[in-house]
Amino acid sequence: QSALTQPASVSGSPGQSITISCTGTSSDVGGYNYVSWYQQHPGKAPKLMIYDVSNRPSGVSNRFSGSKSGNTASLTISGLQAEDEADYYCSSYTSSSTLYVVFGGGTKLTVL
Amino acid sequence: QVQLVQSGAEVKKPGSSVKVSCKASGGTFSSYTISWVRQAPGQGLEWMGRIIPILGIANYAQKFQGRVTITADKSTSTAYMELSSLRSEDTAVYYCARADPTANFDYWGQGTLVTVSS
Repeated sequence: QSALTQPASVSGSPGQSITISCTGTSSDVGGYNYVSWYQQHPGKAPKLMIYDVSNRPSGVSNRFSGSKSGNTASLTISGLQAEDEADYYCSSYTSSSTLYVVFGGGTKLTVL
Repeated sequence: QVQLVQSGAEVKKPGSSVKVSCKASGGTFSSYTISWVRQAPGQGLEWMGRIIPILGIANYAQKFQGRVTITADKSTSTAYMELSSLRSEDTAVYYCARADPTANFDYWGQGTLVTVSS
């Protein structure tokens, strides 16, 4: 069982918007603005898409946005495109003495 | 451009050890931390541990305490992850990743498949 909870799957049609949630606790998501989102295509390494809750690295499309409310962070992808189909993982810094970061279980995004 | 290049795939027997390397280029190796993250087949990402190269200090997830050792060689900008007492459940792709000060992994290695099989 992963430390952060994500839906197993979401889907949307091209051009639509989808949102993926990531729920943690006050020791991780709720306690710090250090939430990241990663995109992973099959057989590839994860790619950073959002950092520090809502910031986009250089080169990442502005169709990707992040937010947080309480213990839940969210990733929104607008104007869905076929190439957005991938697995998405959230992560957060944690104050746990035995960990540094915790990951969500991942969400499979299907573009219909 | 920062690049992390990992060593190649390994096949190991149960009970043995594996050591995976991660060579960094294009950035200041000692200024960041390097973490190791693994992904079992069809599963999610799991943080194993990290090292602060400038200090040579490593810390590990409790799950792997006693079985994993992460080291770094500043002279060659290379980090290493050694996992001992391997079992079949350790079959996974192992990634190294550079973390910025707020625990965002901005660069990743290509991954190293470690297969544990008798």
